[in-house]
Amino acid sequence: NAGVTQTPKFQVLKTGQSMTLQCAQDMNHNSMYWYRQDPGMGLRLIYYSASEGTTDKGEVPNGYNVSRLNKREFSLRLESAAPSQTSVYFCASRSLLAGASPIYNEQFFGPGTRLTVL
Amino acid sequence: DQQVKQNSPSLSVQEGRISILNCDYTNSMFDYFLWYKKYPAEGPTFLISISSIKDKNEDGRFTVFLNKSAKHLSLHIVPSQPGDSAVYFCAASAMNNFNKFYFGSGTKLNVKP
Repeated sequence: NAGVTQTPKFQVLKTGQSMTLQCAQDMNHNSMYWYRQDPGMGLRLIYYSASEGTTDKGEVPNGYNVSRLNKREFSLRLESAAPSQTSVYFCASRSLLAGASPIYNEQFFGPGTRLTVL
Repeated sequence: DQQVKQNSPSLSVQEGRISILNCDYTNSMFDYFLWYKKYPAEGPTFLISISSIKDKNEDGRFTVFLNKSAKHLSLHIVPSQPGDSAVYFCAASAMNNFNKFYFGSGTKLNVKP
């Protein structure tokens, strides 16, 4: 049981290049998330997918696109990378138990992708 | 504008003593709060949570206190151990959109042997 895996671990891009960050989870979770972590800023939500087939914007979606490929996989794409997108990117997943009021569960995070845009 | 704030970037504590990490929030709609722990080059891992219907939740050496009127929560670690040295993030979400979590900027805890 690997949990949440992310590839690649490190990446250096030039301004204007594109790339896709991959994320997969093997916990059969409904929801998946992409965050970025910048010094002094904590983690900020970029996009999330509440369930397979849906995606929604988070706090900082500009410059990114996402695809929920299936229940396991959620990718983040940078179409034209900018130096402001230099960051550590974390993928997370979560299982929500819904009832009359949803029972909150915690998110499980991957190890992160460190991206530098020159 | 950050809705969740951790105003102490770092904290140093002697092994065996109590560590108290603080977190403030501005959004009165937040009703679920979590603490995560993060080691270098790893993703955050869940530590403990509390819903707004409680004012305290305890799990072993870790206790989270919630003061809704002050919009303040704190994490107490007793006794502190060197392995607790890490960055601690608090996070909050609201029932009206429980998929959106807002994180503080983190407090780096150093527990000295």
